[in-house]
Amino acid sequence: EAGVAQSPRYKIIEKRQSVAFWCNPISGHATLYWYQQILGQGPKLLIQFQNNGVVDDSQLPKDRFSAERLKGVDSTLKIQPAKLEDSAVYLCASSLGPPTEGYTFGSGTRLTVV
Amino acid sequence: SQQGEEDPQALSIQEGENATMNCSYKTSINNLQWYRQNSGRGLVHLILIRSNEREKHSGRLRVTLDTSKKSSSLLITASRAADTASYFCATDRNDYKLSFGAGTTVTVRA
Repeated sequence: EAGVAQSPRYKIIEKRQSVAFWCNPISGHATLYWYQQILGQGPKLLIQFQNNGVVDDSQLPKDRFSAERLKGVDSTLKIQPAKLEDSAVYLCASSLGPPTEGYTFGSGTRLTVV
Repeated sequence: SQQGEEDPQALSIQEGENATMNCSYKTSINNLQWYRQNSGRGLVHLILIRSNEREKHSGRLRVTLDTSKKSSSLLITASRAADTASYFCATDRNDYKLSFGAGTTVTVRA
């Protein structure tokens, strides 16, 4: 089966600019996650979708981050305006439902804010 | 907040040796999972162990879970250069979310 697709692979922007990341999960996977991974740290959950509804966005900095999952398939994560501390790898993952067989992660988008 | 903490932070071993890393967590869990991340890539699921299991094997991987001590270990036997990566434990607290630790960086020397 095809994996989780993410784009772009890399992005460099100046602080205060905006940026958007895209994720296409595995077909049929109802649950989609966005994680932020700062260099040297483990992934931190930003937002979790179940179909097209938000299950948990408690760790999402809502003053600058937004995410949507239209029609319960693809998802976009946006940052506006970006700060230097947003430099990280943004990982998208999907699962059928409960993480009983593990998540499938995309390759991530490496964001550098200068 | 990160639920799991791996130990050691970094590990360097000779090819053919075994690598052991540990994970401790704070609250009760439904299951614990281990992931591998090669440099600059996404995470790959390695193995999942449920809270009612004590040991699980998958190829050269052996995972143990001690819920009384809230700890798990991952053993990689007969390591290879391709095992060079970061390894993360992740806990599922039955809330459909995984919390990851900071990871153990393993370097396998030829």
